[in-house]
Amino acid sequence: NAGVMQNPRHLVRRRGQEARLRCSPMKGHSHVYWYRQLPEEGLKFMVYLQKENIIDESGMPKERFSAEFPKEGPSILRIQQVVRGDSAAYFCASSPNSGTDTGELFFGEGSRLTVL
Amino acid sequence: AQKITQTQPGMFVQEKEAVTLDCTYDTSDQSYGLFWYKQPSSGEMIFLIYQGSYDEQNATEGRYSLNFQKARKSANLVISASQLGDSAMYFCAMRERRRGSNYKLTFGKGTLLTVNP
Repeated sequence: NAGVMQNPRHLVRRRGQEARLRCSPMKGHSHVYWYRQLPEEGLKFMVYLQKENIIDESGMPKERFSAEFPKEGPSILRIQQVVRGDSAAYFCASSPNSGTDTGELFFGEGSRLTVL
Repeated sequence: AQKITQTQPGMFVQEKEAVTLDCTYDTSDQSYGLFWYKQPSSGEMIFLIYQGSYDEQNATEGRYSLNFQKARKSANLVISASQLGDSAMYFCAMRERRRGSNYKLTFGKGTLLTVNP
């Protein structure tokens, strides 16, 4: 009965490197969401994906950030050429449908990115 | 405009006492949902309680209850009989039901609760 699994839990990168964060949704869930939490802030929506489709990426920075949720395997949030301002906790959440019901999103434990 | 406002950056409560964490929201939708999440120092987001805008009764989950005042647009979290393990950051969040964004949660900035022995 595994929940939402994220890895790595902690990632350290130097400026200019790439960061890849992975998220496996709960079993039976086909909808994945990524949120970012900057220090001292609440979570902010980044992107919503279904299998092989990006539904809404309105919260993603226009450059350097991309997300995918392939037919097989986890969802991946990729940050290219990281900068210090990318240091944050990145949370993945999943749900069994598009959220038209009243249920909550199930969050993973987050991936904490530190950019040196 | 900020949609979720948590006016208390920090709160202190004595063990075994009750505490209320404030949350006000702003929406023009008639249908929406309100959530509270707990984030302990370990960092994970733990769902606590949910209130739908059409729910007539205040939601309760164990020691957690949501004091929902629709006309005031407030959704305060009440924790009864506080325990040391309740020390954490608490976030209020809203999901609006409008087409095309009914999956997004909007979070407040959180309230850091410290329970004193």
